[in-house]
Amino acid sequence: DNQMTQSPSSLSASVGDRVSITCRTSQSIGTYLSWYQQKPGKAPKLLIYSASSLQSGVPSRFSGSGSGTDFTLTISSLQPEDFATYYCQQSYTTRTFGQGTKVEVK
Amino acid sequence: EVQLVESGGDLVQPGGSLRLSCAVSGFTFSDYEFNWVRQAPGKGLEWVSYISSRGSTIYYADSVKGRFTISRDKDSLYLQMNSLRADDTAVYYCAREAPAVTRFDQWGQGTLVTVSS
Repeated sequence: DNQMTQSPSSLSASVGDRVSITCRTSQSIGTYLSWYQQKPGKAPKLLIYSASSLQSGVPSRFSGSGSGTDFTLTISSLQPEDFATYYCQQSYTTRTFGQGTKVEVK
Repeated sequence: EVQLVESGGDLVQPGGSLRLSCAVSGFTFSDYEFNWVRQAPGKGLEWVSYISSRGSTIYYADSVKGRFTISRDKDSLYLQMNSLRADDTAVYYCAREAPAVTRFDQWGQGTLVTVSS
């Protein structure tokens, strides 16, 4: 199985901060990597696909980068509505989610 | 409007069975692949199963292999769950996957499965 390691598991930040979350896979997956945002009691929402493509309707402050085994989700200027949990997910071999990163208010 | 609506979640005893459904509308069902994803209370997302657009390719997570069966028909996706265990307790989501791009671009609202005696 392709193991995914997401870090950090949680972080505290303020509105306006630049935030980065990393995802590392145990096997190379090219760019078969997506990022999702989930708020409590809600279904996940797709933010980024193919490692760096912004899903339609998602604000441009969200960006993704990386290929192979190392990937990053960056929020350039954190907004109040961005406090949530973020997950990476690979689709190269079956499908796997990272453990999640909770972004909390500092 | 694209919609995915799950149903079938319930309280079931360990060792029991349950069938989840996901009814879709607003797009051509046969053009897409689908997945089931679950989330135990207070935990992260866990991918459960995948089915291709024609149903010819199916994958399962090791945790459910041999107990769960994914299928599709007309405009609905299904998950037959047998030999249920306490650790299968979770909200189960169906998620649409766009072919080639392999992104879960639409999700249902989820249905709760509770396995307890």
